[in-house]
Amino acid sequence: NAGVTQTPKFQVLKTGQSMTLQCAQDMNHEYMSWYRQDPGMGLRLIHYSVGAGITDQGEVPNGYNVSRSTTEDFPLRLLSAAPSQTSVYFCASSYILGLAGESSYNEQFFGPGTRLTVL
Amino acid sequence: AQSVTQLDSQVPVFEEAPVELRCNYSSSVSVYLFWYVQYPNQGLQLLLKYLSGSTLVKGINGFEAEFNKSQTSFHLRKPSVHISDTAEYFCAVSDITSGTYKYIFGTGTRLKVLA
Repeated sequence: NAGVTQTPKFQVLKTGQSMTLQCAQDMNHEYMSWYRQDPGMGLRLIHYSVGAGITDQGEVPNGYNVSRSTTEDFPLRLLSAAPSQTSVYFCASSYILGLAGESSYNEQFFGPGTRLTVL
Repeated sequence: AQSVTQLDSQVPVFEEAPVELRCNYSSSVSVYLFWYVQYPNQGLQLLLKYLSGSTLVKGINGFEAEFNKSQTSFHLRKPSVHISDTAEYFCAVSDITSGTYKYIFGTGTRLKVLA
């Protein structure tokens, strides 16, 4: 299993540009999520999904869009990049309680991250 | 809304000394608790988790944590640290009662092990 993969690893954008961060998992996890990590702020949830066709907002959703057309993929779109979106972005996935037993509940597997700089 | 507090942003400790990293969460009826570790320039990996049962949980790399419901705490401990334990440690809570499956992370504690 490849686990959770993210592309690209690094990206530099100019203000106003758009782009999509890719995330894929091969563990058949129902739950997928996107976080951003900023110094001193820990990980903050941007968007999450509990299955194909179902997405919801996290703590900091403004400026980002997501969709979940398949179980495997959960891309994050920046519509018009701003310097405030300079961050490290992590994608994570997990099972949901009841479908894989309590012992597997919600242990999130993280991708390696994408370091994004917006100039 | 659920929240997680990691009061110590940085903890320096000498090699082979014990360490405790503190985590407190806001009160909830039922929570699942986790500790993750992040080594430099890497993603997060699970150290240990508390779902139910024994309040003392053992994880990888010699770490353990104790769930204390009355104090709403889940402190992480290791009796003797190594240089290789230098990393950032995150406490996380999943509020079962909310039905949203969301994780809430603390702001992290940077553990620096000194030779």
